[in-house]
Amino acid sequence: QKEVEQDPGPLSVPEGAIVSLNCTYSNSAFQYFMWYRQYSRKGPELLMYTYSSGNKEDGRFTAQVDKSSKYISLFIRDSQPSDSATYLCAIGYSSASKIIFGSGTRLSIRP
Amino acid sequence: NAGVTQTPKFRVLKTGQSMTLLCAQDMNHEYMYWYRQDPGMGLRLIHYSVGEGTTAKGEVPDGYNVSRLKKQNFLLGLESAAPSQTSVYFCASSYRTSTDTQYFGPGTRLTVL
Repeated sequence: QKEVEQDPGPLSVPEGAIVSLNCTYSNSAFQYFMWYRQYSRKGPELLMYTYSSGNKEDGRFTAQVDKSSKYISLFIRDSQPSDSATYLCAIGYSSASKIIFGSGTRLSIRP
Repeated sequence: NAGVTQTPKFRVLKTGQSMTLLCAQDMNHEYMYWYRQDPGMGLRLIHYSVGEGTTAKGEVPDGYNVSRLKKQNFLLGLESAAPSQTSVYFCASSYRTSTDTQYFGPGTRLTVL
């Protein structure tokens, strides 16, 4: 079983829709949960960062962590064509020297 | 402040050739990483370093070697390239721990024929 599972998509939605992206993980020791966004032919960049459980909101983006279900989500409200990218979840714990990335979900927002 | 830079951006090799990819960061970060990204596989860690002079194996280290002689540089070497090493290679760095924000370079597209 992979430590982090992420649906690769692709996911295509119309502009203005609410997008939900998800990852599941297997190790309950994970405490740090991140979402990276990667535009085509670019390196990933950090989008959202959450420690432990709960929600975090930043503009149109909300990151949600459910540790009891080992499930993390990224919601995008009022999606824009500029949100078209691959979104990678990443998880880690404090004593680890590396984080683990999901395989990424390719998202396309149709004008 | 250039962030993380990678050299070269593109390269085509023949099977059996060797090459070195260079990563440089100007943020005084302790941690540096080399990943490869293949379709459907996400980012897989090849090697990483937790400080100058240290290196460690990641998830897919076979066929690669690394060195971190200077804090700002992290080199990835392919001694005898194989077609299975055709990939996009990303370097990243983070301040003091792996869970600090990782800053990525623009990537190197490598094709091995």
